[in-house]
Amino acid sequence: RKEVEQDPGPFNVPEGATVAFNCTYSNSASQSFFWYRQDCRKEPKLLMSVYSSGNEDGRFTAQLNRASQYISLLIRDSKLSDSATYLCVVILNTGGFKTIFGAGTRLFVKA
Amino acid sequence: ETGVTQTPRHLVMGMTNKKSLKCEQHLGHNAMYWYKQSAKKPLELMFVYSLEERVENNSVPSRFSPECPNSSHLFLHLHTLQPEDSALYLCASSQVKGSYNEQFFGPGTRLTVL
Repeated sequence: RKEVEQDPGPFNVPEGATVAFNCTYSNSASQSFFWYRQDCRKEPKLLMSVYSSGNEDGRFTAQLNRASQYISLLIRDSKLSDSATYLCVVILNTGGFKTIFGAGTRLFVKA
Repeated sequence: ETGVTQTPRHLVMGMTNKKSLKCEQHLGHNAMYWYKQSAKKPLELMFVYSLEERVENNSVPSRFSPECPNSSHLFLHLHTLQPEDSALYLCASSQVKGSYNEQFFGPGTRLTVL
């Protein structure tokens, strides 16, 4: 089983739609969680950290479910500019810290 | 601007060539990373230099050799590569604070091995 799994998509949604991505992780030693965004042919950039209590940043909401070992990202009122690949990132604490990237979920927002 | 620069941005090399990728971070961070990104695959961590300690992924072939002369500069030396090594090579840096580790990426070097 992969340490971090994401649905590769693509998710094709119209502008204004709400879309949600999930990311599952297999190691209970996972300690910190992030969502990164990667535009086509560009480098990944941090979108938001994921806190235990859940957190919101404008149209973006991140949730963590430790019992079921998944994190989610909800995007409301999708914009064309939200089209990108969304990478789930997990940091394990196994004596040292290890960062693991998911393969990403591709989102296309259409006019 | 991410504060992490990489050169060259594009590189085409033959299997017998030797080349080096360069990364520089201007953020005062204490850790630097090399990643390989192939199409439709997760970023693969190749090497980490953190707090002056080198950590490597044991699956990385010896034809890739990192060098970190100081906390701001990171090199990846390449020799006798194979066509399957063609990929985007990303450098990142971070300020390690326990488990909080936001990584800032450079624009990458797109490598093609003929």
